[in-house]
Amino acid sequence: DVQLVESGGGLVQPGGSLRLSCAASGFTFSTYAMSWVRQAPGKGLEWVSYFSSSTSTTIYYADSVKGRFTISRDYAENSLYLQMNSLRAEDTAVYYCVRVKFGSYSFDYWGQGTLVTVSS
Amino acid sequence: DIQMTQSPSSLSASVGDRVTITCRASQAISDSLAWYQQEPGKVPKLLIYAASTLQPGVPSRFSGSGFGTDFTLTISSLQPEDFATYYCQKYYGVPLTFGQGTKVEI
Repeated sequence: DVQLVESGGGLVQPGGSLRLSCAASGFTFSTYAMSWVRQAPGKGLEWVSYFSSSTSTTIYYADSVKGRFTISRDYAENSLYLQMNSLRAEDTAVYYCVRVKFGSYSFDYWGQGTLVTVSS
Repeated sequence: DIQMTQSPSSLSASVGDRVTITCRASQAISDSLAWYQQEPGKVPKLLIYAASTLQPGVPSRFSGSGFGTDFTLTISSLQPEDFATYYCQKYYGVPLTFGQGTKVEI
C-alpha cells in the first residue's frame, strides 16, 4: 500500500525555520512527482510546492512561499523534504505530502499531515 | 494566475438528493481539473481527474463534467458518508490552484 508519513512539524517563532520530511513507501518513489499542500486551520487547501520525478528536476513554488521555502527529495531514502525559512504567522497550517498522479498534476495519495504553528 | 471559483460555498441536502457543485476557471483550462472530497477531520481524497474520469475505487454516484472554464461535480444520490467539503483543483500550468471549497451539509 502507498504510504506517505510526514514529520517535522511543531511550534516555531516568526522568522524561524523548520524542515518537514515525508517518508514514502509502497510505490516506486523515483517515478512519481511529489508535492506539498497545506491547509490553514478551518480553511481550504493551498498548493505549496512541486518536485518532478527523477526524469527531470522541475521545481515549482507558490508565490506565497517562493524565496522562503525549498523543496528537495532523496531517492536513496525515498523521502521528500520541505525546508521552510523566514516563517510567518500565515504559514500556520497542516502540511500534507502528496503524490502526483501519473499523467496528470492531480494528487492521488495524501499523507496524514504535520501541523506547523508559527507564533510567538 | 488563473482563479478557480466554486459555487455554492455551502449547501444543505438530504440523503438521496441529487447534488451539483460548480467550479469556474477565470481562463480556459482544457480538461485539467480534479475534484477532491474532504470529510471532517480527514485527509482529502481524489474523486475525479481530467474533469470526468473517476478515480479507481470511487463510487459511481460521483460524476464530473465540463471543459474549458465551466465544470460540475454531481452526486446522483447523496449518501450519509458524502457529507463533506468538496474542492476543485486546476492543473493547467502552475500554480496548481484549488477552489475555495463547497461544504455539503445535512
